[in-house]
Amino acid sequence: GAVVSQHPSWVICKSGTSVKIECRSLDFQATTMFWYRQFPKQSLMLMATSNEGSKATYEQGVEKDKFLINHASLTLSTLTVTSAHPEDSSFYICSAPRLASSYNEQFFGPGTRLTVL
Amino acid sequence: AQSVTQLGSHVSVSEGALVLLRCNYSSSVPPYLFWYVQYPNQGLQLLLKYTTGATLVKGINGFEAEFKKSETSFHLTKPSAHMSDAAEYFCAVSGYNQGGKLIFGQGTELSVKP
Repeated sequence: GAVVSQHPSWVICKSGTSVKIECRSLDFQATTMFWYRQFPKQSLMLMATSNEGSKATYEQGVEKDKFLINHASLTLSTLTVTSAHPEDSSFYICSAPRLASSYNEQFFGPGTRLTVL
Repeated sequence: AQSVTQLGSHVSVSEGALVLLRCNYSSSVPPYLFWYVQYPNQGLQLLLKYTTGATLVKGINGFEAEFKKSETSFHLTKPSAHMSDAAEYFCAVSGYNQGGKLIFGQGTELSVKP
C-alpha cells in the first residue's frame, strides 16, 4: 500500500514560537493533501486542502495566517503553526489521495502530536 | 453537503461476541464510504471501503460492512470480537468529484472485555 510519513511525530514548543510539520507521500505523487486536527477523544476535523502549485483551501473557521500551508512538490506538504499557543496543542494528521485512484482513497500519515507549553 | 453520524460514542462487547458499529450518512452525490480504525497516538488505517458495485464489502481483520442506500447506512460488523479490536473506529464519506475530501463521523470507541 501507499505510504505517507509525517515529521516530527511529536513536538513540544514554547508559547509564541512557530512549528513546522511535514507530510510526505513516499511512493506516490499527490497534487492534493489534506490536513486534519484531532483533539483527544474527538473526531478528525478537516482544516485545509493543500494544493500543489497553488494556494491552500481552508475550511470555515480555520485561520489562514495561523496555519500556513505550503505544497512545495508533488510529494511534500508542510503545515506551519505560527505563534503557537497552548490551545493549538493537538494531534495533527495529514492524508493524501493517490493520483491514479478513481475513488479518492486516502492514505494517512501517522500523525504529529503538538504540545505548546 | 455531506455528513456522517455514528450512533454510540462507546461500544463495549465481550470477546467472541458480535461487533456492530453504526454509521449513517447524508450525501447529495453518490457516496463513497469508508471505515477507518485508529489505535492510540497513531494515524488511521483503512478497514474497508464502498465505492460502487457489491454492497457488502469485506475488509481486513474480519470486518465487513453493508451499504444500504434506502437506509443511508453503512454499519460495520465483525462476527467475533478479539481483544486486539479495541480501538477507535471512524466512518467517513466522500463522493465522486469531491477531490478525496473526507467527512468523518464522531468516532466510536470499541472496548472488548475478556
